[in-house]
Amino acid sequence: DAKTTQPTSMDCAEGRAANLPCNHSTISGNEYVYWYRQIHSQGPQYIIHGLKNNETNEMASLIITEDRKSSTLILPHATLRDTAVYYCIVRVLFRGTASKLTFGTGTRLQVTL
Amino acid sequence: NAGVMQNPRHLVRRRGQEARLRCSPMKGHSHVYWYRQLPEEGLKFMVYLQKENIIDESGMPKERFSAEFPKEGPSILRIQQVVRGDSAAYFCASSSLRGSGLATDTQYFGPGTRLTVL
Repeated sequence: DAKTTQPTSMDCAEGRAANLPCNHSTISGNEYVYWYRQIHSQGPQYIIHGLKNNETNEMASLIITEDRKSSTLILPHATLRDTAVYYCIVRVLFRGTASKLTFGTGTRLQVTL
Repeated sequence: NAGVMQNPRHLVRRRGQEARLRCSPMKGHSHVYWYRQLPEEGLKFMVYLQKENIIDESGMPKERFSAEFPKEGPSILRIQQVVRGDSAAYFCASSSLRGSGLATDTQYFGPGTRLTVL
């Protein structure tokens, strides 16, 4: 799976949009971009994933550049409960099978009042 | 719809004892993954199982660790003769491959089992 690069930490004011970048310059055509977060020491929580089109769900939006070498996770209105470590993961998916998630160090997002 | 369940949530063992960690996947999921998170470190993949089969065990330590996912019942991660270095949070995730199209198996995680070895 392609390696990802994320900033170590970021701050965001409550109510503002949190934009978390991720570089994956060696991504292949059959690799998806996944985002998870881990709040304190809880189990990782799935947020969103995409291949090449922008995606949006009730939690966040995922913007993937046209060349697919980078992406941005957007939390539109961050709250204190969004304070967590956010992981950007690139993984290949094959027809009929599945694969492990390779976690990096992630971005520690601190949402403040 | 219940999520992934793990028990026990906390487990204390003395050096040399055995630890058994259980994982019940989400309803309808037949794929289970185990990950380990050492203190102040990231999550590391250990093993991927389908019902009665080990698919990928590339992250499992060669000795003392084993995993199974029987036809009936939960998946079990077993650690024999535990040592202090086994102290960690062990997370289980499950997924379901849908249909005959490209797999988009999102993995959903349980709350973890925190193992402390005295």
